[in-house]
Amino acid sequence: EDQVTQSPEALRLQEGESSSLNCSYTVSGLRGLFWYRQDPGKGPEFLFTLYSAGEEKEKERLKATLTKKESFLHITAPKPEDSATYLCAVQENTNAGKSTFGDGTTLTVKP
Amino acid sequence: EAGVAQSPRYKIIEKRQSVAFWCNPISGHATLYWYQQILGQGPKLLIQFQNNGVVDDSQLPKDRFSAERLKGVDSTLKIQPAKLEDSAVYLCASSRAGMSYEQYFGPGTRLTVT
Repeated sequence: EDQVTQSPEALRLQEGESSSLNCSYTVSGLRGLFWYRQDPGKGPEFLFTLYSAGEEKEKERLKATLTKKESFLHITAPKPEDSATYLCAVQENTNAGKSTFGDGTTLTVKP
Repeated sequence: EAGVAQSPRYKIIEKRQSVAFWCNPISGHATLYWYQQILGQGPKLLIQFQNNGVVDDSQLPKDRFSAERLKGVDSTLKIQPAKLEDSAVYLCASSRAGMSYEQYFGPGTRLTVT
C-alpha cells in the first residue's frame, strides 16, 4: 500500500527565515509526486508535479525537489501570505493512477 | 474559467440520517474525484470517475456510500445511513483526461454528524 509521510506536522517561521518541508513516500511504481497548498476552509490548490529523481520545480519563493524516496519543498524568505497547509501526494503508475496524500505540514509565517 | 462547484457548503445531520452532496466539475474535465478529508489529515480518495464510468472505488464504504456521475458531468455522493465517523470535509476535484496529476479542487462540503 502506498504511504506518504510529511514532516514536520507544524512549522513556525519568522518572515524571511528560510526552511524546508519533507515528504517521504513508498509506492510500488511512481507516476508523479505532487505538492498542493491548502488554505483554511478551501480545497487544495495545485503547485507542482515532479516525475523523476533529480527533478526540480520553482514558483516564486517555493522550490520542490525529488529523490527516489523523498521530496523537499524549500521556502526561501517566506512571507506571512505563505502561511497554509502544504500537502504532498504520490500517484501510482497504474491505469487508475490513484493518488495518496500525506497529512500535510501547517506552515505559519510571523511578520 | 469557472472552478469546481460544490453544494451545500455545510451540513449538519444526526446519525442514521441520509445526506447527499453535489459537484459540478470544470467544463471539459473528463475525470472527477470525491475525497474525504478528516480534520488534521490529508484527503483520502473515495471514488474516481472517467466520464460516466468508475475507475477506482476501492476505498468507498459501499455499504453506506454511493456515488453517481450523470451524463459525464455533474456528480452526487450519498451517505445512507450516516455514522459519527463520517464527520469530515468532502472534496470534489476534476482534471482533464490523461492529466490526473493536475487536479482542481472545489471548496468542499463540511459534514457534521451528531
